[in-house]
Amino acid sequence: DTEVTQTPKHLVMGMTNKKSLKCEQHMGHRAMYWYKQKAKKPPELMFVYSYEKLSINESVPSRFSPECPNSSLLNLHLHALQPEDSALYLCASSQGPASGELFFGEGSRLTVL
Amino acid sequence: AQSVAQPEDQVNVAEGNPLTVKCTYSVSGNPYLFWYVQYPNRGLQFLLKYITGDNLVKGSYGFEAEFNKSQTSFHLKKPSALVSDSALYFCAVRDRKDTVNKFYFGSGTKLNVKP
Repeated sequence: DTEVTQTPKHLVMGMTNKKSLKCEQHMGHRAMYWYKQKAKKPPELMFVYSYEKLSINESVPSRFSPECPNSSLLNLHLHALQPEDSALYLCASSQGPASGELFFGEGSRLTVL
Repeated sequence: AQSVAQPEDQVNVAEGNPLTVKCTYSVSGNPYLFWYVQYPNRGLQFLLKYITGDNLVKGSYGFEAEFNKSQTSFHLKKPSALVSDSALYFCAVRDRKDTVNKFYFGSGTKLNVKP
């Protein structure tokens, strides 16, 4: 299994809603990542988890809250988002925190109304 | 500071012709270099990487890339383009001294392959 699975594929939410994005991998990878991508732009790193601990937070607003319940799962909790937060949110994993290439999921397309 | 430049927003090529997508980088140390492809509304797919060794790296779907240390370049190439190669291509670099995978992505190059 070489997949990173993200759910939901599409999410529409209001600015007062609370929702979560989920990511799962069963490759035994020990590092997981959240990226944000706007249309026709490169992915921007948000968070890195290494061995289930948060190792990088790229000064992301607190309305985005990551969680890594175990080595296979990564969540991104969303609360009080702004319309400018609408984007494709990509999850990725790598074998180790400082090794190998990133394996990306298909992304969750978020629209904030 | 680490950075990656993809000087062309768009590359147009006819099917069957060779293609090149350019990438230059700037890192403080020795880099790990990667190419990814993204189809519309999809995630990024890994194509190939340079870690060490032979400067010519072969990857998925017939793509290859050449690491040129003196020119700090890592251009993506394919001898014969297919219409299905049309997509957005990202070059990425990582400083091998980093203790965490912090990838720096280029701005992307849209490849259009016309029949």
